[in-house]
Amino acid sequence: EVQLLESGGGLVQPGGSLRLSCAASGFTFNSHAMNWVRQAPGKGLEWVSNIGVDSLYTHYADSVKGRLTISRDNSKNTLYLQMNNLRVEDTAVYYCAKRAYGDYGAFDMWGQGTMVTVSS
Amino acid sequence: EIVMTQSPATLSVSPGERATLSCRASQSVSTNLAWYQQKSGQAPRLLIYGASTRATGIPARFSGSGSGTEFTLTISSLQSEDFAVYYCQHYNTWPLTFGGGTKVEIK
Repeated sequence: EVQLLESGGGLVQPGGSLRLSCAASGFTFNSHAMNWVRQAPGKGLEWVSNIGVDSLYTHYADSVKGRLTISRDNSKNTLYLQMNNLRVEDTAVYYCAKRAYGDYGAFDMWGQGTMVTVSS
Repeated sequence: EIVMTQSPATLSVSPGERATLSCRASQSVSTNLAWYQQKSGQAPRLLIYGASTRATGIPARFSGSGSGTEFTLTISSLQSEDFAVYYCQHYNTWPLTFGGGTKVEIK
């Protein structure tokens, strides 16, 4: 069964840090680009970041550039999101999502999400 | 950045009726367009990719059409399990962006 399982969310103060993880199983992890997408409470979906199959390229939304860093460990089938200098507006459910065809395509599999709350 | 605009924001439909959702891109995305369904408290689920191809396991009552800047998701006969929020997303260029969503509610 194809599965993505996020962890690492929680409550953090503004300016603080968190690292999210996404454990993948049931597919060839190192053959698919991976993404983070977030959803603030009661709001729509916002794409956050993408990493290619071999980590050679990454992309970020302007709203997180310089503060959030995506990475992956293909030997552990795990995707990460290092979140630094967090802001109140980063409060959201964070989903990891798999791209359908290598470095291309729609997001054909999503995790269940992990909640990040930034508040003092 | 390509802006994706969905309309209407809310669509009230009776079970068994047809629902038509629209998505407009601020510039051409070719057919690099996906539709997702999200039910309350759940992760999004891929319905349509390539503007018109149903994802694995998606019922035939869901269909997508369009190219360039204008796209449509049609649900031919709404079932109770179809009441949800629907998002379009382009994956043509960076940054990838989503539309604001259309909530399909029971009339």
